[in-house]
Amino acid sequence: NAGVTQTPKFRILKIGQSMTLQCAQDMNHNYMYWYRQDPGMGLKLIYYSVGAGITDKGEVPNGYNVSRSTTEDFPLRLELAAPSQTSVYFCASSHYAPRTGRVLNEKLFFGSGTQLSVL
Amino acid sequence: DAKTTQPPSMDCAEGRAANLPCNHSTISGNEYVYWYRQIHSQGPQYIIHGLKNNETNEMASLIITEDRKSSTLILPHATLRDTAVYYCIVRVRRLGSSNTGKLIFGQGTTLQVKP
Repeated sequence: NAGVTQTPKFRILKIGQSMTLQCAQDMNHNYMYWYRQDPGMGLKLIYYSVGAGITDKGEVPNGYNVSRSTTEDFPLRLELAAPSQTSVYFCASSHYAPRTGRVLNEKLFFGSGTQLSVL
Repeated sequence: DAKTTQPPSMDCAEGRAANLPCNHSTISGNEYVYWYRQIHSQGPQYIIHGLKNNETNEMASLIITEDRKSSTLILPHATLRDTAVYYCIVRVRRLGSSNTGKLIFGQGTTLQVKP
């Protein structure tokens, strides 16, 4: 398994440009998340999804959009890039298995991150 | 979810035990304590979690006080590769479809393991 794969690893945007950060996982996890991490700070949750077709806002959703059309993919969209969105973005996934009666979703698996600069 | 307080930084000698404290004085009865770490420039890595009993796995031990208001993560024999930021997180483990698993990360403790 590749785990959680993020692309691209680095990107520089001009103010007002748009882009999509890609995230894919091959572990058949139903939960997926997007975090951002500013220099010297902890992670902040942007959006999360509990399954295909279901998404919800986290702590800092403004300026971002997400979609979850498949279990594997959870892209993050920046429509009008701003300097305040300069950050490192991490995607993560976890699994909840209700039929087994065991909650597994505390253990998040993270991708290696996308470093984004908006100039 | 309860708020946590961690020291911003700690040092540890290589080969010694690293004891990382975390205060969560407002924790409620159904909230779990989780620990993750982040090695420079990488995504965070799950370490361990627990409710009220002490827990141990191949990476670390978690000691939770009887009143559950604080906990300590123990790395028994720290190596240079354990240098990282360690995050203590407290959250409710809700059962059912609303159990989103989302974790709120604070600023953590930067552990520097020195030779």
